[in-house]
Amino acid sequence: QKEVEQNSGPLSVPEGAIASLNCTYSDRGSQSFFWYRQYSGKSPELIMSIYSNGDKEDGRFTAQLNKASQYVSLLIRDSQPSDSATYLCAGYNAGNMLTFGGGTRLMVKP
Amino acid sequence: SQTIHQWPATLVQPVGSPLSLECTVEGTSNPNLYWYRQAAGRGLQLLFYSVGIGQISSEVPQNLSASRPQDRQFILSSKKLLLSDSGFYLCAWEGPSSYEQYFGPGTRLTVT
Repeated sequence: QKEVEQNSGPLSVPEGAIASLNCTYSDRGSQSFFWYRQYSGKSPELIMSIYSNGDKEDGRFTAQLNKASQYVSLLIRDSQPSDSATYLCAGYNAGNMLTFGGGTRLMVKP
Repeated sequence: SQTIHQWPATLVQPVGSPLSLECTVEGTSNPNLYWYRQAAGRGLQLLFYSVGIGQISSEVPQNLSASRPQDRQFILSSKKLLLSDSGFYLCAWEGPSSYEQYFGPGTRLTVT
């Protein structure tokens, strides 16, 4: 079982809709989670960090962490075509190394 | 503000040739540094990390090596490249009191 799992997608949403990206993790001891955005051919860019249960909002992005369910999500409100990218979920494993999911490809259609 | 550089941006090398990729960080001291590889259509694989000068930890046994000759310089090397070494090589830094990792622009390596 992979330590961080994501649906590879593609997830297709119309422009202006809410995109919901999900991630599950296997290590109950994981405390810190991150969302990266990666455009095709580019390096990952950190867009959200979340360390405690609940929601964290930053502009159009909301990260949600549920440690009881071992579940992390990223909501993107008012999705724009420029949000089309692969979104990587990452969390620290028991060895204190950052472990990445395989990424979910998001397509926002005009 | 902090900046991370990697070079070269792209590289095409024949099988059996040596490799040297360089990563430098500006605007921070004593960062933790990381080398990742992203193969085509696959996730990020941690290769090496370093918490200080001369301190290198390897996550995956392979024909690659890493060195950290200066506080803000991290080098990835190979004596003889394999076809399977092709990929997107990413350097990342993490502040000494932070859990957040920031990536450089990457080097796209094609071994022919």
